[in-house]
Formats: sequence, C-alpha cells, structure tokens
Amino acid sequence: QKEVEQNSGPLSVPEGAIASLNCTYSDRGSQSFFWYRQYSGKSPELIMFIYSNGDKEDGRFTAQLNKASQYVSLLIRDSQPSDSATYLCAVNTGNQFYFGTGTSLTVIP
Amino acid sequence: EPEVTQTPSHQVTQMGQEVILRCVPISNHLYFYWYRQILGQKVEFLVSFYNNEISEKSEIFDDQFSVERPDGSNFTLKIRSTKLEDSAMYFCASTSGTSGWNEQFFGPGTRLTVL
Repeated sequence: QKEVEQNSGPLSVPEGAIASLNCTYSDRGSQSFFWYRQYSGKSPELIMFIYSNGDKEDGRFTAQLNKASQYVSLLIRDSQPSDSATYLCAVNTGNQFYFGTGTSLTVIP
Repeated sequence: EPEVTQTPSHQVTQMGQEVILRCVPISNHLYFYWYRQILGQKVEFLVSFYNNEISEKSEIFDDQFSVERPDGSNFTLKIRSTKLEDSAMYFCASTSGTSGWNEQFFGPGTRLTVL
C-alpha cells in the first residue's frame, strides 16, 4: 500500500507569517511530487510540483524535496487570509497519483 | 485558458440506478484520470486512461465502473447499479504526458448523491 501522510492540522498562522506544511511518502520509487490547494467544495488546484532534491521557489511558495528521507514540504511566505484552504500533497508513482488527506491551513488576519 | 469541464455538476440518483459522469479534458492532453473524494476524506485515484484503454486502475475501480472515450472530446465514467457508498465528488483530470513531471489539471467535479 503506497501511503502519503500529512498532518491534518488545523494549522493556524497569523497573516504575514510563514506557513510550513509537511508530507511523507512510503514508495521510494515515487518520481514527482505535487502540492495542490483545495477550497471547500472545490476541485484541487495545482500550486507547484517538484521532482529533484532540493528547493524550488515560485513566488511566495517554496517546495522542498528530500528523497532520502522521503519527505516533501511546502513553505508559504507572507501568508494571506486567502491562503486559508486545505493543502494536498500528491505523489506520482508510475502512472498513478496518490494523495494525502490534506492539511487544513487557516491564516488569521 | 484551457480547462477541464465536467457535467453535470450535481447528480442525484436512486440506489441501483446507472449513472454516467461526463468530462471534456483539455484538448491536447493525452492522459485522463478519474478520482473520487468522499466528503471529508482524501482524493482517491480510480483509473487512468491513455490511447483508448485503461492504463492503471485502483482496487476501488471494480466491475461496477467503466470508462470510455466515445469521441474525440468526451471522457466518461459509468457507474452501474449505484450504491449508497458511491456518494462522493468525482473529479476528472487530464495531463499532456506521464513522464512524472506533468501536472494534472482537475475539472470542477460532479457531486454524486445516491439515495
């Protein structure tokens, strides 16, 4: 069973702070890693993806991947109330995608 | 900006009935997926489809389910003899490739309610 684990939260941060979201995965053969944002009742929307060890930055978002530790994280700098959502970690293994249960983030104005 | 579309947005059906959920993937995409998300739970992979055949399917995707690409644009999920536990959001997604770093684009979903 391929697992993707996330802390369900809720995670609360004040506006302007850094939010740190974490994800671990069980399959060492996983090839690429994705962070999606999902607002209640809506479909997942892609924030960013990463497939090489290290950091990848896109605006206020930074994804970090450590394949040796089977760990991927998402940092959100200068958090805004509009960032309040559930963040889903997804892992691509072969031709399947496995999602974590998501971490609920609340940014407090 | 191209997007994945799904119809209907909400489908209500009686237990035991058949339903067909429809999706129009992004036009130049080659790989198509169905997922479901039971309320409050994680997104679960059902099936992937490429070159007019199923590439992968999960243990959820049993004989009750089938997929089809009846023409050049639509991608459908059929659920035969629906059960109460089939009530969920069903998302279609598409991607241009499966090299491991091609992101999927999700449609808005169909909320299926089985009574």
